[in-house]
Amino acid sequence: NAGVTQTPKFQVLKTGQSMTLQCAQDMNHEYMSWYRQDPGMGLRLIHYSVGAGITDQGEVPNGYNVSRSTTEDFPLRLLSAAPSQTSVYFCASSYGAGRGEKLFFGSGTQLSVL
Amino acid sequence: GQQVMQIPQYQHVQEGEDFTTYCNSSTTLSNIQWYKQRPGGHPVFLIQLVKSGEVKKQKRLTFQFGEAKKNSSLHITATQTTDVGTYFCRNSRGAQKLVFGQGTRLTINP
Repeated sequence: NAGVTQTPKFQVLKTGQSMTLQCAQDMNHEYMSWYRQDPGMGLRLIHYSVGAGITDQGEVPNGYNVSRSTTEDFPLRLLSAAPSQTSVYFCASSYGAGRGEKLFFGSGTQLSVL
Repeated sequence: GQQVMQIPQYQHVQEGEDFTTYCNSSTTLSNIQWYKQRPGGHPVFLIQLVKSGEVKKQKRLTFQFGEAKKNSSLHITATQTTDVGTYFCRNSRGAQKLVFGQGTRLTINP
């Protein structure tokens, strides 16, 4: 049982490049979410999903796209990377529809945009 | 999502001293969760409080939920170097956009 798996662990991009951060969970969780963590800003919700085919925006969705074609996977796409997207990204999942169940986090992706 | 304010933002203590972080909201919370993130690691769930006035203990950690369900605290007795990290609270009001507090970063002088 691997839990929540994120890849890659580190990534450097140039401004304007696109990429996808991968997230997979093997716990059959309905709820999956993406957070970014910047110094002094805590964890900010980017996008979330309450099940396959259902996604919604969080606090800071601009510049990011998501999709949820399966229960297991919830990739985060950066369409045109900007230096302001330099951050540590965490994927998290939970049972139920995200109404207060505890979150299980992946180990994170450290992204630098030059 | 509803904002929760966490104070202090940083706390440095001598090993063996106590530590407390507070999570405050202007409106009533449904429940409150606490997470710990070690340096370089990911957040890990510690506990959830649901009832007004609830108090839960985990060894040297004591978690409290206010009577009005607008605030919560995490108290660590006699800190150890293993307590180093950032502690986050997370609010739930029955909505799906659940927000975290800004976190309290704890450093310890051995």
